[in-house]
Amino acid sequence: SFVLTQPPSVSVAPGQTARISCGGDNIGSKSVHWYQQQPGQAPLLVVYDENDRPSGIPERFSGTNSGNTATLTISRVEAGDEADYYCQVWDDSSDLYVFGTGTTVTVL
Amino acid sequence: QVQLVQSGAEVKKPGASVKVSCKASGYTFNKYTVHWVRQAPGQRLEWMGGINTGHGDTKYSPKFQGRVTISRDTFATTVHMELSSLTSEDTAVYYCTRKLTGAEWYFDLWGRGTLVTVSS
Repeated sequence: SFVLTQPPSVSVAPGQTARISCGGDNIGSKSVHWYQQQPGQAPLLVVYDENDRPSGIPERFSGTNSGNTATLTISRVEAGDEADYYCQVWDDSSDLYVFGTGTTVTVL
Repeated sequence: QVQLVQSGAEVKKPGASVKVSCKASGYTFNKYTVHWVRQAPGQRLEWMGGINTGHGDTKYSPKFQGRVTISRDTFATTVHMELSSLTSEDTAVYYCTRKLTGAEWYFDLWGRGTLVTVSS
C-alpha cells in the first residue's frame, strides 16, 4: 500500500518559517491534503489540493507538491501553531485513504 | 450549525464488539460520504472505511475488512461504525469525518472523537 513518510519533529522559533515534508512514491501525481491536530483535539483541515485553504485558515499556511515530496509551509510561526501535522492522499490504485506518519511542530 | 456529534466513550472487554454513532447536522446529509478514522495512543491517524450516505455503499480498509461494519440511518442523519472481536490494540480514539461526494478526496469536517478502551 501507499506509504507517506514525515519527519517526526520540526522545531522553529516564533516568527520564522516551518517546513514539513511528506514523502511518497511519485506523490507529485496525487492531490495532497494537510491536517493540524492540537493536543486532545480532532484534526483540522488546513490545506487541501496541494495549496488551497479552507475558510478561516490563515494565508500563513501553504503547500507545494512535486516529484516524491510534498511540503507544508507555515510562515511567521506563532505559538498557537504548535501541534501535530499530518499529510493525506487518496491512493487511486487501491481506493484507500492514506495518512502520513505525522510531524510534531514545536515552537521554541 | 454544521457538525458531527459522536456518541460517548466506551469500555469493552476483549472479544466484544463496540458500536459508535455519528450524527450529522447543518448540511445535506447525502451530499457527503462519512468515514471513520482512528488514532491509537501516540500513533498516526488511520483510515478504517467509509459509506456513501446516499446509496449506502461501503468501502473498508483491508486491515479492518471482516471486522468493521459501517451503516447509516438517513432519516436520523446518523452513521454507525461497529467493530467486532476487539483486542487491546483497538484501544483508540475513533473519529467520524465527512468528504464531499465526488472528486474531492479530503476530509473537511470532523467529529470530536470517541474513546474506546479495550481492557479485561
